[in-house]
Amino acid sequence: DVKVTQSSRYLVKRTGEKVFLECVQDMDHENMFWYRQDPGLGLRLIYFSYDVKMKEKGDIPEGYSVSREKKERFSLILESASTNQTSMYLCASSLWGREVETQYFGPGTRLLVL
Amino acid sequence: TQLLEQSPQFLSIQEGENLTVYCNSSSVFSSLQWYRQEPGEGPVLLVTVVTGGEVKKLKRLTFQFGDARKDSSLHITAAQPGDTGLYLCAGLLYNNNDMRFGAGTRLTVKP
Repeated sequence: DVKVTQSSRYLVKRTGEKVFLECVQDMDHENMFWYRQDPGLGLRLIYFSYDVKMKEKGDIPEGYSVSREKKERFSLILESASTNQTSMYLCASSLWGREVETQYFGPGTRLLVL
Repeated sequence: TQLLEQSPQFLSIQEGENLTVYCNSSSVFSSLQWYRQEPGEGPVLLVTVVTGGEVKKLKRLTFQFGDARKDSSLHITAAQPGDTGLYLCAGLLYNNNDMRFGAGTRLTVKP
């Protein structure tokens, strides 16, 4: 079974703090993704990576950065957290080059920025 | 506006009832997937449909992909409380292979 894990299930941070969200997958997937999920808006793609040290902006990259130093690990960084970044953050991974792309999701990190 | 519109947004029914939820778009998709997400968890894949007109069954769940590959439906027969959750559709865009998600249908099945 594919397993995608996220470092924290719940986080509470203060405005202006630097926040690291870690994601690890154990299936040797090339692609990794970070989404945020907000009520009524569905999943919105923040960044994705198709290889180590590669990253691509998604639909809403502003206020976020990412790091992929190892194939199995994809980190999302909030350089200076703001209250509008309070959300559920979901990490996913998938194999490269498949027309039918199945993304496997982690359990999510619920972030509250005060 | 969402590229994939899901309806209804919320649905609350009694155990044993049947229901259908919809996922509609004006765009064409190479494939479309349905996920179920329980509170505090990530989405879990239920099914992938690839061919226009395709129908797939998963126990009491029936999934259909529209002939033009722009829409899909999920029908649940004799719903059970364990079916409660957020049902998300996601499509792989035909023209650029981007994955797009709908906002979801939140289903509650009361015992």
